[in-house]
Amino acid sequence: AQSVSQHNHHVILSEAASLELGCNYSYGGTVNLFWYVQYPGQHLQLLLKYFSGDPLVKGIKGFEAEFIKSKFSFNLRKPSVQWSDTAEYFCAVNGKGYSTLTFGKGTMLLVSP
Amino acid sequence: NAGVTQTPKFQVLKTGQSMTLQCAQDMNHEYMSWYRQDPGMGLRLIHYSVGAGITDQGEVPNGYNVSRSTTEDFPLRLLSAAPSQTSVYFCASGPVGSQETQYFGPGTRLLVL
Repeated sequence: AQSVSQHNHHVILSEAASLELGCNYSYGGTVNLFWYVQYPGQHLQLLLKYFSGDPLVKGIKGFEAEFIKSKFSFNLRKPSVQWSDTAEYFCAVNGKGYSTLTFGKGTMLLVSP
Repeated sequence: NAGVTQTPKFQVLKTGQSMTLQCAQDMNHEYMSWYRQDPGMGLRLIHYSVGAGITDQGEVPNGYNVSRSTTEDFPLRLLSAAPSQTSVYFCASGPVGSQETQYFGPGTRLLVL
């Protein structure tokens, strides 16, 4: 079975601080990895995804993530966060085919102005 | 395109009542799914479908039924609501394929008393 672990449940940062959210997955085969974001009161939307090629992928709003196969990790980063980045972030994996996603428990990010 | 729509936005039920959560998409996606989101638990897959007439169980299917008679619609039925089903329910759709992005609806917040 595939599973996803997100290290931090809550993160509080000041504006302009750098962000790194940890994500580790467990799956024996080839995986496709995603980060989704849920802004307050809104539905989930895709930040970025990785399925092959360059392990450093760039997404929307200045976010990026690095796939490290040897560590089974897919950490999300942003050099300088803004107040508008306050949201809940979910890491997800799909290794089963179809489109079925397995989500981590999420990390709530609060950015103080 | 309206994308993925869900109705109702909010519902209160008494234990034992039944109801159907509606989900529709206008993007001609073959894959549709239902998740529930609970605090600290992330999103957990309830049921999914890879096309009209085809459904399958996810991680937490007990107490829920689904059907897929058309490509556009994927309703979720609670046959006899229980307080443990108090949650926020999200419907998602996308092309079939493990690398494909899922598009989420705005959610239905359900309270079972």
